[in-house]
Amino acid sequence: AQTVTQSQPEMSVQEAETVTLSCTYDTSESDYYLFWYKQPPSRQMILVIRQEAYKQQNATENRFSVNFQKAAKSFSLKISDSQLGDAAMYFCAYLLKTSYDKVIFGPGTSLSVIP
Amino acid sequence: DTGVSQDPRHKITKRGQNVTFRCDPISEHNRLYWYRQTLGQGPEFLTYFQNEAQLEKSRLLSDRFSAERPKGSFSTLEIQRTEQGDSAMYLCASSLGRGQYFGPGTRLTVT
Repeated sequence: AQTVTQSQPEMSVQEAETVTLSCTYDTSESDYYLFWYKQPPSRQMILVIRQEAYKQQNATENRFSVNFQKAAKSFSLKISDSQLGDAAMYFCAYLLKTSYDKVIFGPGTSLSVIP
Repeated sequence: DTGVSQDPRHKITKRGQNVTFRCDPISEHNRLYWYRQTLGQGPEFLTYFQNEAQLEKSRLLSDRFSAERPKGSFSTLEIQRTEQGDSAMYLCASSLGRGQYFGPGTRLTVT
C-alpha cells in the first residue's frame, strides 16, 4: 500500500523559533514528487514546497526547507523564524511520476505558533 | 483571479436531495482532480480528469457520485440522494503535472 505517515498530530513553536515536522512515506516507485501543503483554518490549501525524488539537493523556499532522505523514505519540513501566520495544518504528500493522477496525503500536523 | 475557483463555497442540504458542485481550474491546466476532506483528515482522492477524459475513480466514489468535465475546462461533481456521511469538504485541484493547486473547497452539510 502507498501511504504517508505524519507521526506528530500537533506541534507548537515559539514565534521566531525553528520547528521541524516529520513525514515518512511508503512507495515501491523510485521517481516521484513530494510536497508539503499548508491549510490555514477555514482557508485554502497552499503548496508550500516541492521536491523531486531524483534530486539529491534539498528544496528550499524562503523560510521553508526540507530534509529529504530517499533511502529512509523520510521528508521532513523545517520552518525557520516561525511567524504567527505559519499556524495551520501541514500535510505531507507525494505523487508518482508514472501516473500523474492522485496525490497521496498524510493525516496532517496541526502547528500552533505561540507569540 | 487566476486560481482554482469552486462554487458554491457552502451547501446545506437535506438527506436524500441531490447536489452539484462546480470547479473552474487554472486555465492552462489540463489535469483536474476532486478530493474529499473530512474534519481533521488529509484529502482523499475521488477522481481525476485529463482534459475531458475521466481517467481514474476511487472506490470512495459510489454510484451516487458522478463527475464530468465536458469540454476539458470546468468540472462538476454531483451527489445524488445525499446521506449524512457525505458531509465533508469537497476540494478541486488542477495541475500541469508537477504539483496540484487547490481551490477553496465546497463545504457540504447534509442534515
